Amino acid sequence: EVQLVQSGGGLTQPGGSLRLSCAASGFIVSSTYVSWVRQAPGKGLEWVSAIDSGGTTYYADSVKGRFTISRDNSKNTVYLQINSLRVDDTAVYYCLRLTRWGQGILVTVSS
Amino acid sequence: TVMTQTPLSLSVTPGQPASISCKSSQSLMHSNGKTYLYWYLQKTGQSPQLLIYEVSSRFSGVPDRFSGGGSGTDFTLKISRVEAEDVGVYYCMQTIHVPWTFGQGTRVEIK
Repeated sequence: EVQLVQSGGGLTQPGGSLRLSCAASGFIVSSTYVSWVRQAPGKGLEWVSAIDSGGTTYYADSVKGRFTISRDNSKNTVYLQINSLRVDDTAVYYCLRLTRWGQGILVTVSS
Repeated sequence: TVMTQTPLSLSVTPGQPASISCKSSQSLMHSNGKTYLYWYLQKTGQSPQLLIYEVSSRFSGVPDRFSGGGSGTDFTLKISRVEAEDVGVYYCMQTIHVPWTFGQGTRVEIK
């Protein structure tokens, strides 16, 4: 069964950093696209980043230069390093394969 | 690629049909002939769940009262007979053009 288990969210100040983790089971992360999507409180879904099977990475303009997606094939885990956090980055962050989403993790940016 | 969903909210009597439209600002058809348009349902407090992939293919376990159709830039999700468990917010998503984009979401409630 495909599962994505997320960790690493929390509260941080503007300008801070966090690393989100997405541990996969039931499939090999290096065999397919894995993406990150976020949802600000009470808002819709916003695509953030993706990494494809070849390791090519893609970013939304709003996070380019601040967020970095990567993966560790030995741990079957995808990461999202989020730097220079802003208040408007506050959201629930989901990792997903297109057929299955993780449970979501809250990132709160506040002074 | 802008994804425009209509209506933004829908109140349906149980057993009645429902239809949601999703229009894209450019074609979602790949040169391989596939069209990368997905439909998700997000129930309150949950992660989105895949209903339909590549316009019209029903994902495993999705009831057959859900169907997807369309081509090019115009797509539709239909529920043949709405049930109480179908309440939530429905999103269309395209993955052929970076950045991947979502529709604004359509909230479905039961009358």
